[in-house]
Amino acid sequence: SAVISQKPSRDICQRGTSLTIQCQVDSQVTMMFWYRQQPGQSLTLIATANQGSEATYESGFVIDKFPISRPNLTFSTLTVSNMSPEDSSIYLCSARNSRIPNEKLFFGSGTQLSVL
Amino acid sequence: AQSVTQPDIHITVSEGASLELRCNYSYGATPYLFWYVQSPGQGLQLLLKYFSGDTLVQGIKGFEAEFKRSQSSFNLRKPSVHWSDAAEYFCAVGGYNKLIFGAGTRLAVHP
Repeated sequence: SAVISQKPSRDICQRGTSLTIQCQVDSQVTMMFWYRQQPGQSLTLIATANQGSEATYESGFVIDKFPISRPNLTFSTLTVSNMSPEDSSIYLCSARNSRIPNEKLFFGSGTQLSVL
Repeated sequence: AQSVTQPDIHITVSEGASLELRCNYSYGATPYLFWYVQSPGQGLQLLLKYFSGDTLVQGIKGFEAEFKRSQSSFNLRKPSVHWSDAAEYFCAVGGYNKLIFGAGTRLAVHP
């Protein structure tokens, strides 16, 4: 199994600023992902964080707004740029090791972001 | 289009009562199906998953789910609910990586 640590766990930010969320996995994983959970809604995949290359974004999400880094197999960051109140959400990092057959997707505890 | 529907937004049950949370999906191929639980301030924890084989799947914490292809359903059940089961439950469908989540069902448990 993998343990995923996210920080910060929560933050309150001003409109127009940016916040970088860090995700650390305690073991090497092949796949890392970032999800968003807007208030009262379900989880939506933002992007797949690719090691050493640009992230793969889902429809409706762009790199300028959500730049993602993944410098190695255990760490990734998501930046929420030029924030507005609509960005208030829980952001979750997830990961799995595709080398292990049927390995499940693990989730971090999330970052609760409030934008004023 | 691929989608997951959880018809019940909120469910309240008494401790010791049985529980069934509904999940219907729309997916082009044979899906992988999952149930996750999210407690306040916590991440998502996988309860169980269905890939193939026996359509009745056993999970952790005494939960089980049954895949019914004809009904495109994957309902979650527990015979006797404990107060600690109060949480939000998400059904998800998809591959190993890209999961489509339902809107969630918030479970409250009365003593």
